[in-house]
Amino acid sequence: GAVVSQHPSWVICKSGTSVKIECRSLDFQATTMFWYRQFPKQSLMLMATSNEGSKATYEQGVEKDKFLINHASLTLSTLTVTSAHPEDSSFYICSAQNWGVYGYTFGSGTRLTVV
Amino acid sequence: AQTVTQSQPEMSVQEAETVTLSCTYDTSESDYYLFWYKQPPSRQMILVIRQEAYKQQNATENRFSVNFQKAAKSFSLKISDSQLGDAAMYFCAYRSNDYKLSFGAGTTVTVRA
Repeated sequence: GAVVSQHPSWVICKSGTSVKIECRSLDFQATTMFWYRQFPKQSLMLMATSNEGSKATYEQGVEKDKFLINHASLTLSTLTVTSAHPEDSSFYICSAQNWGVYGYTFGSGTRLTVV
Repeated sequence: AQTVTQSQPEMSVQEAETVTLSCTYDTSESDYYLFWYKQPPSRQMILVIRQEAYKQQNATENRFSVNFQKAAKSFSLKISDSQLGDAAMYFCAYRSNDYKLSFGAGTTVTVRA
């Protein structure tokens, strides 16, 4: 079946540093990737939508300069958390639109802890 | 974004019994998709079932079935013959015409042995 590989699965970084999260679609072309943030025992909140070869569109309230999204190819999208602070600590999940199944394929998530 | 409401934060069910999770949504669109996703402790999102709004027939997937009431904007999930592996957080989701998913707050399902 369709797989989206998300790395790293967990990362700890120091405050002020940047962290990059990668999502790769392994057996299909992901023209659109969605990035979510999830706090413990809460729902998924959409942060941004990225389309291959174009700039990402961000949801209201999401700082585009802090959460840089790049979707340079049909199989790779990245989220970079810049100048991370403890309040950026969260679980980040990517989801690729999969036209083959008229649905979505989710990555396994990245737990980010900023100390 | 569309509003998706799950009014049951937690539900408990005895193994082999049936549990129903409720979901309502608000929309002005006539064509859309609805989903139920399962998120176990691993936090991997797993598709449980999908319903196209233009289809009147309720979707079923093995022990999982939905009761889709378009006029009432209701989309409940029934889990039959509950198993220990069904324990997870369940999210109802609405796909709008811009292909974005709006999720409900989730319902935590506990299965008692």
